[in-house]
Amino acid sequence: DAKTTQPTSMDCAEGRAANLPCNHSTISGNEYVYWYRQIHSQGPQYIIHGLKNNETNEMASLIITEDRKSSTLILPHATLRDTAVYYCIVRVTTNNNNDMRFGAGTRLTVKP
Amino acid sequence: NAGVMQNPRHLVRRRGQEARLRCSPMKGHSHVYWYRQLPEEGLKFMVYLQKENIIDESGMPKERFSAEFPKEGPSILRIQQVVRGDSAAYFCASSPISGRAGDTQYFGPGTRLTVL
Repeated sequence: DAKTTQPTSMDCAEGRAANLPCNHSTISGNEYVYWYRQIHSQGPQYIIHGLKNNETNEMASLIITEDRKSSTLILPHATLRDTAVYYCIVRVTTNNNNDMRFGAGTRLTVKP
Repeated sequence: NAGVMQNPRHLVRRRGQEARLRCSPMKGHSHVYWYRQLPEEGLKFMVYLQKENIIDESGMPKERFSAEFPKEGPSILRIQQVVRGDSAAYFCASSPISGRAGDTQYFGPGTRLTVL
């Protein structure tokens, strides 16, 4: 069970910001929000993760609501190469199990 | 800084043969994870290993599949007596030694297994 809800697909114009939403209303206090993407049939690529605070790196920004029940991944200037399936995953890491569960994700298509 | 390495990238086997998939984690990583992705589907977790130990095999099929991560060398996912339904992309991921909360998994390019 992925524990997250994402739209099936989204389109974005090249050069514009892509905002990908994710609902995780049952998230626990010690669960992180992770984002990965998979371009065509390549291996999933790590994008960003966060616990409570908003995060930013060279790829994207992650905005987590104050109640932590939802988040948004922002690609500030989408390019054609950002076309991929984007996965939002909530997980708590321990030494005893792996709880990384991929759902269906959002298929983002960046159009020229 | 080399990423996660997987080989072979493509593997073709006939029904009944054995398939061996190899994964070398990123330098400094001692946690390895295997996932399977069937055509047009999402990734499904199979097994989580540390050096010489299986930590979580809740996603492994009960028969024909096994995994190991020896003290020396790569992690191996072995599929005995392959069937057509085993045709899929198999991805390996690794994470750092600490296993602390917030640890990130980094994925390899995958091995695409085709069973004829």
